[in-house]
Amino acid sequence: AQSVTQLDSQVPVFEEAPVELRCNYSSSVSVYLFWYVQYPNQGLQLLLKYLSGSTLVKGINGFEAEFNKSQTSFHLRKPSVHISDTAEYFCAVSGLRGNDYKLSFGAGTTVTVRA
Amino acid sequence: KAGVTQTPRYLIKTRGQQVTLSCSPISGHRSVSWYQQTPGQGLQFLFEYFSETQRNKGNFPGRFSGRQFSNSRSEMNVSTLELGDSALYLCASSLPGPKNTGELFFGEGSRLTVL
Repeated sequence: AQSVTQLDSQVPVFEEAPVELRCNYSSSVSVYLFWYVQYPNQGLQLLLKYLSGSTLVKGINGFEAEFNKSQTSFHLRKPSVHISDTAEYFCAVSGLRGNDYKLSFGAGTTVTVRA
Repeated sequence: KAGVTQTPRYLIKTRGQQVTLSCSPISGHRSVSWYQQTPGQGLQFLFEYFSETQRNKGNFPGRFSGRQFSNSRSEMNVSTLELGDSALYLCASSLPGPKNTGELFFGEGSRLTVL
């Protein structure tokens, strides 16, 4: 089984400043990794995913994440945030259970961008 | 391609009533999962259906039930509503099979308020 730890529950940040959201996972098998974003009163939307290949993954809205297998981490970054990036961000890891891959979610990180 | 559709988006019920929420997955997706999201508990897995059969179940009381139809549409039902059932209920679909990575595609959610 796999688990996900998001190290920060709340991250306040000023507009145009960089932001990093930390995510660590534990798993005994190879996994796929995801970041989802949830804007107020909406569902979760995929930001980016790591399946294989380059460890630096670029997603939508200028976000990127780096897969570090030795550190079992998948931190999300954005060099310059906007007010519209205010949202909750979920890290998720997918591992094989039976014949299918299943997602496990972290507890979420609330990002509040201030002018 | 239409996304995951959930109805209704908002509803208000009183304690003791029951509620049925509906979810239409992305065309071709045969797996449907349900999640409950509250500020205190975060995202909690309710159950997953595949080919009209419940494959996985989270740790919720029997008041929470679901089903899936032959066209992959799913419904969940909560009977004898309690104040603590107030939450955002999220439905997600996925594409089991050789290309499955565990990625979930979410609907906008149904916001239930119990008075």
